Amino acid sequence: AQSVTQLDSHVSVSEGTPVLLRCNYSSSYSPSLFWYVQHPNKGLQLLLKYTSAATLVKGINGFEAEFKKSETSFHLTKPSAHMSDAAEYFCVVSDFKGAQKLVFGQGTRLTINP
Amino acid sequence: GAGVSQTPSNKVTEKGKYVELRCDPISGHTALYWYRQSLGQGPEFLIYFQGTGAADDSGLPNDRFFAVRPEGSVSTLKIQRTERGDSAVYLCASSSGLNTGELFFGEGSRLTVL
Repeated sequence: AQSVTQLDSHVSVSEGTPVLLRCNYSSSYSPSLFWYVQHPNKGLQLLLKYTSAATLVKGINGFEAEFKKSETSFHLTKPSAHMSDAAEYFCVVSDFKGAQKLVFGQGTRLTINP
Repeated sequence: GAGVSQTPSNKVTEKGKYVELRCDPISGHTALYWYRQSLGQGPEFLIYFQGTGAADDSGLPNDRFFAVRPEGSVSTLKIQRTERGDSAVYLCASSSGLNTGELFFGEGSRLTVL
């Protein structure tokens, strides 16, 4: 069975400083991995996805993530945090065996301090 | 509409009552999903439709939960004999069905069972 573990339930950074949200995955085959973001009172939105092409994936709003098979990690980063980045972030692994059944991590709440 | 629409946005009911939650997907999207998000958790898969048929209902917790999509567009999630443990945000998502892994989520229906 596939799973993801988000190592921090809450991350707090100052505006303009780097963001690192950590995710480790477990999968019995080559996974597809995603990061979704959930702003308050908004629907979940896809930030970026990895599907076995380039290991460094760029997403929207300046976010990127690197797939590291040797470390079974897919950490999300951004060089400089903005106040609008405050949200809940979910690391997700996909089962592509006939259905797009996404398996979500428990989420990391990102707070940006002015 | 432009996005996935879910109604009601908020539903309060009493234990033992019957509840229906509605999802209107993005026009033209053949795949439709239901997820459940409990407080402080990531969304959990319930059921997936491809067209009118349920392709995967392995996430439905028990036989009190049922979902339909009779014309391949709008879907209804039905919960019988509600219990306090059913309280959660029920999320609907749709996709083009092309296995891209990108799901478009609605804002959810928050169900509270008293």
